Amino acid sequence: AQSVAQPEDQVNVAEGNPLTVKCTYSVSGNPYLFWYVQYPNRGLQFLLKYITGDNLVKGSYGFEAEFNKSQTSFHLKKPSALVSDSALYFCAVRPDYSSASKIIFGSGTRLSIRP
Amino acid sequence: DSGVTQTPKHLITATGQRVTLRCSPRSGDLSVYWYQQSLDQGLQFLIQYYNGEERAKGNILERFSAQQFPDLHSELNLSSLELGDSALYFCASSAPGLAGEEQFFGPGTRLTVL
Repeated sequence: AQSVAQPEDQVNVAEGNPLTVKCTYSVSGNPYLFWYVQYPNRGLQFLLKYITGDNLVKGSYGFEAEFNKSQTSFHLKKPSALVSDSALYFCAVRPDYSSASKIIFGSGTRLSIRP
Repeated sequence: DSGVTQTPKHLITATGQRVTLRCSPRSGDLSVYWYQQSLDQGLQFLIQYYNGEERAKGNILERFSAQQFPDLHSELNLSSLELGDSALYFCASSAPGLAGEEQFFGPGTRLTVL
């Protein structure tokens, strides 16, 4: 069965420091991997995705993520955190075999950036 | 603004009642997805429609049903409501037919069942 794990409910980082939000997955077949961000009282916004090709994917707002097939991970990173990055982050996976395949979201990680 | 609209924004109702949530996808998107977000369950995929037909089913209760109309808007019907159905319900849409396309989420409908 496919699944996504975000092992940290909360990540606290000081402004200006690098941040990492972890995501591991389990899926049969090749995965499509996504990161979304949710600000308070808003819907989710797409940040970036991995489909194929370069393992390092760059996305919106200076975020990037690295696909690691051997470790089945897709961690979200940013070199220098901003207070405005504080939000709820979701990792999602979808097997690539069909657009009818189910999408699974992780439980979310709350990122808090302190000034 | 994602281009996905949802109405109503808030809905307060009583147990046992039935409600309908409405979603209009982004222009040109044929796929519509419904999600439920509650505090203890995270974001749960409910169902996907593609060009009027059901495409994938997630953890959708039998008391819930959905459909996508010829103009591509979608409705999620929730019946025999229980307290535990109180949640945020999101609709999302994506470009036609590809599993690798990202989704664009609406602002959500907050359902409160009293």
